Amino acid sequence: QPVLTQPPSSSASPGESARLTCTLPSDINVGSYNIYWYQQKPGSPPRYLLYYYSDSDKGQGSGVPSRFSGSKDASANTGILLISGLQSEDEADYYCMIWPSNAWVFGGGTKLTVL
Amino acid sequence: QVQLVQSGAEVKKPGASVKVSCKVSGYTLTELSMHWVRQAPGKGLEWMGGFDPEDGETIYAQKFQGRVTMTEDTSTDTAYMELSSLRSEDTAVYYCAIAGYSSGWYLDVWGKGTTVTVSS
Repeated sequence: QPVLTQPPSSSASPGESARLTCTLPSDINVGSYNIYWYQQKPGSPPRYLLYYYSDSDKGQGSGVPSRFSGSKDASANTGILLISGLQSEDEADYYCMIWPSNAWVFGGGTKLTVL
Repeated sequence: QVQLVQSGAEVKKPGASVKVSCKVSGYTLTELSMHWVRQAPGKGLEWMGGFDPEDGETIYAQKFQGRVTMTEDTSTDTAYMELSSLRSEDTAVYYCAIAGYSSGWYLDVWGKGTTVTVSS
């Protein structure tokens, strides 16, 4: 199974933006996949946030604020979750996910701390 | 709106089996693609398997093949995940989740999780 690499931790201050990354292995082209993002708070199940394929093919989960958005950096083979206007309630673990073929694969997760 | 209610926490000894249930309300199970994901304490999410909505078959992650069985009782709209030959590393929260589709399949609605502890 492919391994999606996420930095274990990230931090930013309220009102700032947080850029969380999800790097795919070199044999999987980020341009070919939907990148899905989840938020998980302690003691709760994951919550679906959004997916990003391209600027013309993306979707937001139900009730997810528009300050959560996705993008890709093809040169780095990376999916990106951008959270703008950080709020204290955004402090959580964030996971990326792809469906390469007949299996879902998660990244290891990034713990976002809102300072 | 679909809701998933999972069975209660379990404590099992190494070598035993555990069977976790997930009851669906708001839809019938036959309309849905059910999957199972686990999370060890302090660790990330790990997909175990589920009903492949494209092939119409139950598929398992390679890591769990031969040790996990996922079944459904359509008369009660309840899905089950049974994991055998338990070891301490199987201590985790086990989630059921429904697949949704938005330009591709993803895990949409999640149960609250069932804690399984494997300890002698």
